[in-house]
Amino acid sequence: DTEVTQTPKHLVMGMTNKKSLKCEQHMGHRAMYWYKQKAKKPPELMFVYSYEKLSINESVPSRFSPECPNSSLLNLHLHALQPEDSALYLCASSRGQGAPGANVLTFGAGSRLTVL
Amino acid sequence: KNQVEQSPQSLIILEGKNCTLQCNYTVSPFSNLRWYKQDTGRGPVSLTIMTFSENTKSNGRYTATLDADTKQSSLHITASQLSDSASYICVVTYNYGQNFVFGPGTRLSVLP
Repeated sequence: DTEVTQTPKHLVMGMTNKKSLKCEQHMGHRAMYWYKQKAKKPPELMFVYSYEKLSINESVPSRFSPECPNSSLLNLHLHALQPEDSALYLCASSRGQGAPGANVLTFGAGSRLTVL
Repeated sequence: KNQVEQSPQSLIILEGKNCTLQCNYTVSPFSNLRWYKQDTGRGPVSLTIMTFSENTKSNGRYTATLDADTKQSSLHITASQLSDSASYICVVTYNYGQNFVFGPGTRLSVLP
């Protein structure tokens, strides 16, 4: 299994809703990432989990809350979002620091989020 | 500053033609470089990965080159197909595999 699976594929929510994006990988990767991508722009890093610990938070607003329940799962909890948060949210994983082999990113198909 | 540049920003070609996309980087220390294809609204899919010692690598109609001395990479697409229409993103891994930097991408449109 060489896939990163993201659910849901599409999500529409109001500004007062609470929802979550989910990501799962079974490649034994120890680093997992959330990226935000706006149209015609490259992905922007939001969070990095390394060995299940949050290692990077790129000054993301607190209305986005990541969670890494175990080494295979990564969630992004959403609350009180703004319309400008509408974007494609990409999950990725990599072998992680200190792991043998090239450390490269494998992406999921993305979750398209629309905030009304 | 660790940076990746790509050219051209966008490209339109006719089906069946070849094209070459460029990626220049200034990251250090370099670990590897990967080309991704991203269809609109979908996640990036890996095409090739180049390490420091590799000059050329092919994946079907895609051929990537790497010149570690000049810090340049190219992605050559042969006999383009309509399904090649997508954004092509160059991602460089550096700092002993700890960090990634993305290029802005090249938007390729293949017309019938």
